[in-house]
Amino acid sequence: AQSVTQLDSHVSVSEGTPVLLRCNYSSSYSPSLFWYVQHPNKGLQLLLKYTSAATLVKGINGFEAEFKKSETSFHLTKPSAHMSDAAEYFCVVTTSGGSYIPTFGRGTSLIVHP
Amino acid sequence: NAGVTQTPKFRILKIGQSMTLQCTQDMNHNYMYWYRQDPGMGLKLIYYSVGAGITDKGEVPNGYNVSRSTTEDFPLRLELAAPSQTSVYFCASSRETGDNYGYTFGSGTRLTVV
Repeated sequence: AQSVTQLDSHVSVSEGTPVLLRCNYSSSYSPSLFWYVQHPNKGLQLLLKYTSAATLVKGINGFEAEFKKSETSFHLTKPSAHMSDAAEYFCVVTTSGGSYIPTFGRGTSLIVHP
Repeated sequence: NAGVTQTPKFRILKIGQSMTLQCTQDMNHNYMYWYRQDPGMGLKLIYYSVGAGITDKGEVPNGYNVSRSTTEDFPLRLELAAPSQTSVYFCASSRETGDNYGYTFGSGTRLTVV
């Protein structure tokens, strides 16, 4: 069984300040973890993925995430927010013990103020 | 490459009508998925397929049917549309070991049932 919890439904930051979007997961097997971004009225775009290689993963647009097995977390960060980062972000987990069917978190809406 | 193509982009149905949401991918992916997205609920898996001729239920299959006669196409059928099926529908695909490559999403179909 697998599940993912995004701890904040909304995160509000000012442009130029750091971003932290929190994600915790539960998995019976070794997980693979992803962050996807969805801009308004658009599809989902892959930001980054963890698949048992380096625990610190760098993605597109300056985002990165760190896999922490002891904390079962995969938080998404960015040093400096841009207005264009305003979007919905989804944390996703799959496990090798299943059939790689992904489970999505409920999403975190990132709001960026000028 | 077109990736994953969904049609139509928008549709309004009357209660009791039926329709088919089309999904085509040109990446020769074996795995394909249908999700629905409701506000604040993330994405819920409706049906998935691991290859031509093979389909299986996801988390919320009631009221829907699928078929997979070719690798490229994975249509989703709604029979007797109900207001509860008002949602945004996403089709996605992945290689057999999707966790190493991520998932490619279509741009979505926004369906309203009135």
